Amino acid sequence: EAGVAQSPRYKIIEKRQSVAFWCNPISGHATLYWYQQILGQGPKLLIQFQNNGVVDDSQLPKDRFSAERLKGVDSTLKIQPAKLEDSAVYLCASSLPATVTKKMYEQYFGPGTRLTVT
Amino acid sequence: AQTVTQSQPEMSVQEAETVTLSCTYDTSESDYYLFWYKQPPSRQMILVIRQEAYKQQNATENRFSVNFQKAAKSFSLKISDSQLGDAAMYFCAYRSPFAPNSGYALNFGKGTSLLVTP
Repeated sequence: EAGVAQSPRYKIIEKRQSVAFWCNPISGHATLYWYQQILGQGPKLLIQFQNNGVVDDSQLPKDRFSAERLKGVDSTLKIQPAKLEDSAVYLCASSLPATVTKKMYEQYFGPGTRLTVT
Repeated sequence: AQTVTQSQPEMSVQEAETVTLSCTYDTSESDYYLFWYKQPPSRQMILVIRQEAYKQQNATENRFSVNFQKAAKSFSLKISDSQLGDAAMYFCAYRSPFAPNSGYALNFGKGTSLLVTP
């Protein structure tokens, strides 16, 4: 079974430029997450999708960050314009959706994209 | 919001020895899930072990086991017979129970860097 794919693996941009990250979840996983991991910290959720709908984007800086998941499969996270404090690793994860049976499914993570803003 | 605290930024263990990583959390919920994730330099987050709060029995996965103290809100990870490949960042994470139309994101601690010496 193929894992969560992300690209690019590394990106260096200057502040005020824009950047986009791509994620392809595991086949059949309806739930997709984007996390931001700043150096020395644990990952923090930016946005969660269920199919192509947003479940939680309360911690997404909407003035500069945007995300979409067209057709409920691949997802793109964009930053425009980037700031120095956006330097971080951006992790994408996917899982089967929670159900009324309360079964908890594992989140599978991709390798992440390391963004450096200079 | 639930907070997860890992008070040990770094730990060191000799190969074949046992080490315990600490994690405490703050929550008002009675039902939840706890996890330990491993993040090697490749950045890929790998699930090590998980515990459902309603289960009194501590989870065990091969050389990895947890000491779950619900009343104390403590969730420590014990690694037995440490191997060089265990060297990585270890993150403790909390997840709220199922709730319709809400997120199921993981809430991570800041991590503990584990060094394994020959």
